[in-house]
Amino acid sequence: GAGVSQSPRYKVAKRGQDVALRCDPISGHVSLFWYQQALGQGPEFLTYFQNEAQLDKSGLPSDRFFAERPEGSVSTLKIQRTQQEDSAVYLCASSSGGQGNEQYFGPGTRLTVT
Amino acid sequence: GIQVEQSPPDLILQEGANSTLRCNFSDSVNNLQWFHQNPWGQLINLFYIPSGTKQNGRLSATTVATERYSLLYISSSQTTDSGVYFCAVKGWDSGGGADGLTFGKGTHLIIQP
Repeated sequence: GAGVSQSPRYKVAKRGQDVALRCDPISGHVSLFWYQQALGQGPEFLTYFQNEAQLDKSGLPSDRFFAERPEGSVSTLKIQRTQQEDSAVYLCASSSGGQGNEQYFGPGTRLTVT
Repeated sequence: GIQVEQSPPDLILQEGANSTLRCNFSDSVNNLQWFHQNPWGQLINLFYIPSGTKQNGRLSATTVATERYSLLYISSSQTTDSGVYFCAVKGWDSGGGADGLTFGKGTHLIIQP
């Protein structure tokens, strides 16, 4: 497709389970971003890739969060030992150039931890 | 890091009315985007406007970079315009969390028929 896609769209996990969230950016986009959106809030930056290099991961809330983009295209955000406070919508965005270029967002994955 | 303030937080209008949404930011930016988040959570790009003025149908936007604010204008509102409008910016710094967009808290717009 032409836009950013994410899967799954919805994920329910029991506390303590590991989850993996996938992002397919727009074809050819070198920059990829992950954001977390809590209910009623604006999205908050988690991490940034330029091609396969993770250049900024300072927004990841704990060492239970890990992101990768091994071939510079698809990215996976992994959360280990999920906690209730991890419940949120996880958004992926991509852009054609560096951080200053226009970002396009996917539909998000809504994670609920029970 | 860079701060973003949006106003008003909530706005209720009748169909056909015009509205102005404001975004103030605390530092120079190399990216400013306006988004509409629809009821299904999708962020829809409205404008990429780090400076200047743009128009797209009933919507227009102006960013005065030297005074660190941006305005989004919606004319002849329709019920489908309802939702949350976000302003998001990126400053010139990199690293340390500065590589992503910083979002405001949004303006929740309700258009009544």
